Amino acid sequence: DADVTQTPRNRITKTGKRIMLECSQTKGHDRMYWYRQDPGLGLRLIYYSFDVKDINKGEISDGYSVSRQAQAKFSLSLESAIPNQTALYFCATSRGGGNEQFFGPGTRLTVL
Amino acid sequence: QQQVKQSPQSLIVQKGGISIINCAYENTAFDYFPWYQQFPGKGPALLIAIRPDVSEKKEGRFTISFNKSAKQFSLHIMDSQPGDSATYFCAASGWTGNQFYFGTGTSLTVIP
Repeated sequence: DADVTQTPRNRITKTGKRIMLECSQTKGHDRMYWYRQDPGLGLRLIYYSFDVKDINKGEISDGYSVSRQAQAKFSLSLESAIPNQTALYFCATSRGGGNEQFFGPGTRLTVL
Repeated sequence: QQQVKQSPQSLIVQKGGISIINCAYENTAFDYFPWYQQFPGKGPALLIAIRPDVSEKKEGRFTISFNKSAKQFSLHIMDSQPGDSATYFCAASGWTGNQFYFGTGTSLTVIP
């Protein structure tokens, strides 16, 4: 079984819709992250969380919100999706004090 | 502003050749420099990483060269194989591991 899972894997939605992407991990890590990947732009950090009560904005948080429901679950929401949020979204985890990040398989989101 | 600049954007190498990807950074507070490898349809995975107290780290066919004074680091893939064809990202973070800043990625193709 995968250590970091993301659902859904693919999603097509329309402008203005609310979308939630979910991430779960069985690694026991306390830190979780959301990134988006765009061609030519690499990976950019949206939000990160060091524990259930700790949420921090990353480079590109505008238009996104997150919820850390439990140590193992971290959700990313787009309150009102817009076409330029079309991208590949990755969840990642890391152990507190460690640097290596473990990525999920990604969610491909298309906003029409 | 891109915190980590990566080049080239794409690279084609013959089997058995050497692949070289370069990255540069500005923030002297960065002290952890990983390289991630990403295959199509997968999340990035840590390939090799270095801290600035050494100038080189080698793991099998993969070597990181680090130049602290120039604020540059590079990935060298010796005896490149078709199975190395993937996208490679450099990254940098500070000692707390709070935020990772990724390069824009290099698409490597190794032709038989």
